[in-house]
Amino acid sequence: GNSVTQMEGPVTLSEEAFLTINCTYTATGYPSLFWYVQYPGEGLQLLLKATKADDKGSNKGFEATYRKETTSFHLEKGSVQVSDSAVYFCALSVPIGAGGTSYGKLTFGQGTILTVHP
Amino acid sequence: KAGVTQTPRYLIKTRGQQVTLSCSPISGHRSVSWYQQTPGQGLQFLFEYFSETQRNKGNFPGRFSGRQFSNSRSEMNVSTLELGDSALYLCASSLEVGTETEKLFFGSGTQLSVL
Repeated sequence: GNSVTQMEGPVTLSEEAFLTINCTYTATGYPSLFWYVQYPGEGLQLLLKATKADDKGSNKGFEATYRKETTSFHLEKGSVQVSDSAVYFCALSVPIGAGGTSYGKLTFGQGTILTVHP
Repeated sequence: KAGVTQTPRYLIKTRGQQVTLSCSPISGHRSVSWYQQTPGQGLQFLFEYFSETQRNKGNFPGRFSGRQFSNSRSEMNVSTLELGDSALYLCASSLEVGTETEKLFFGSGTQLSVL
């Protein structure tokens, strides 16, 4: 089956520190990979995505590279801010329908809580 | 453009009751998915609807059901509630066109507490 494993948190950093959150996956077929972020009391927001090997997704200073050889999609940011404090989820989707859709099904990792202190 | 709207925001029920949750997708989005989020199990896929048809279903008992209306609004129903059904239920919509496919936009969720 499909699964996503994220590094366990919580992760606590000082402002302007470098962030890495590890994510590895197991999938049947050729998955698309995602990072979602969840702020307190809110739903999930798509942070970035990559759909094929060696693609780099980036957004708001965050980036992640689809590494097929190591089945990984690690999230990085060079300088975190207090406002980045949230829960981060790595996820994958595997196409099962026409047009490459997974019919709404994402497989999520357990989430990593990030706290950034001033 | 309004985002995904879920109602109610909070709900308290007792064991054995049933509950209906509502989701209005982003205008123009025809795919609606539902997820259950709990501290122990994380985020788990319930089902997905497109043009009033269920296209995909996760591994949940038959007590969990859903439907979608012609305006793409969706409801999910849980019958005979159990304590373990306490969770945040998230709805997501998707445009499913070209590069927008697989981009899920989530609502803020309905927090269900079963006593």
